[in-house]
Amino acid sequence: KAGVTQTPRYLIKTRGQQVTLSCSPISGHRSVSWYQQTPGQGLQFLFEYFSETQRNKGNFPGRFSGRQFSNSRSEMNVSTLELGDSALYLCASSLEWGFEQFFGPGTRLTVL
Amino acid sequence: AQTVTQSQPEMSVQEAETVTLSCTYDTSESDYYLFWYKQPPSRQMILVIRQEAYKQQNATENRFSVNFQKAAKSFSLKISDSQLGDAAMYFCAYSPTNFGNEKLTFGTGTRLTIIP
Repeated sequence: KAGVTQTPRYLIKTRGQQVTLSCSPISGHRSVSWYQQTPGQGLQFLFEYFSETQRNKGNFPGRFSGRQFSNSRSEMNVSTLELGDSALYLCASSLEWGFEQFFGPGTRLTVL
Repeated sequence: AQTVTQSQPEMSVQEAETVTLSCTYDTSESDYYLFWYKQPPSRQMILVIRQEAYKQQNATENRFSVNFQKAAKSFSLKISDSQLGDAAMYFCAYSPTNFGNEKLTFGTGTRLTIIP
């Protein structure tokens, strides 16, 4: 069974631009979560989707948004990028909350 | 709000020896999940072990076991017979079980070095 895939793996943007990251969960998994990982703040929860519904959202500004499609694939969008948005963005999928979350390799975003 | 604390930023252990990583958490919930995740230098996060708070028995997975002390809100990870492949960042994580609160709260991590 294929694992969680994230595209692109690396991305370089400039301040003020917007970016869209994609996550394809393991087949059959309906829960998709997103996390931001930085050296200073560690791993922080962004949001979680289940069956196209956002069930929970972390403490991030409205510039961070996401969505989930009917095939469980998920995207997250960051508008008006800031230098502080440079991070590794991790996506994780699971059958349902409480079950093992399988993480993707992450997308490394650099904002210049 | 729930918090997870890992007080050991770095640990090292001789190959084949045993090491224990510490984790404490704070919650007012009675039921929750606790996890240890491993993030090797390749960056892919891998689940090491999972514990359900209502279960008294400590979880074990081969060379990995936990010491879950619910009253003390402590969840340590013991790695026996350490191997070079165990070198990684280890994150302790907490998850509530109640609907509408689905998120993992991570500790700051412990970097484990294995000395050959």
